[in-house]
Amino acid sequence: EAQVTQNPRYLITVTGKKLTVTCSQNMNHEYMSWYRQDPGLGLRQIYYSMNVEVTDKGDVPEGYKVSRKEKRNFPLILESPSPNQTSLYFCASSLDGENQPQHFGDGTRLSIL
Amino acid sequence: AQSVTQLDSQVPVFEEAPVELRCNYSSSVSVYLFWYVQYPNQGLQLLLKYLSGSTLVESINGFEAEFNKSQTSFHLRKPSVHISDTAEYFCAVGGTGRRALTFGSGTRLQVQP
Repeated sequence: EAQVTQNPRYLITVTGKKLTVTCSQNMNHEYMSWYRQDPGLGLRQIYYSMNVEVTDKGDVPEGYKVSRKEKRNFPLILESPSPNQTSLYFCASSLDGENQPQHFGDGTRLSIL
Repeated sequence: AQSVTQLDSQVPVFEEAPVELRCNYSSSVSVYLFWYVQYPNQGLQLLLKYLSGSTLVESINGFEAEFNKSQTSFHLRKPSVHISDTAEYFCAVGGTGRRALTFGSGTRLQVQP
């Protein structure tokens, strides 16, 4: 089954404790991206990747890091999480860009205390 | 810069009634337009898209949207809604050269029996 898998689905943690949210897709997609969803703001892109070792900033990259060492994986790293990063996070992938149908994971709800 | 405005944050409607979810965008270049749907506790799924050609696009579950270039709108309609259509709907614009989709803030459709 074609899917985008995110882990964990839920996480409560404390300020400053490094965390990683994993994302993996099994569709051999070139393009992957991370969004955060906040009430009243819709989805805002954090980072995207056009291919292995090619990443770039989205609209709200501050406080986040990503890597794309393998085509299927695109982890999101919060080196020193802060309460304003409490949000619902989605990973998405598509064949080769933002104008192809995006396949979304089921989301990761992060709470930073 | 491009932006997407969804004028209604919530739309309550009775089952079998028609519905229209409004979406307006601003962009200085030609765009691609999308509607995504998010069911509770799930990621977003592509509902329909306009890339070029006919300005009226349809989805497999009875929704349709019309691209109106002069009014910069891409409203979503369904002539008769079902309880199962209860979800949040997001309008998005791409094709602007940013390598990212710009999402609206979402419209929560609540279908009541």
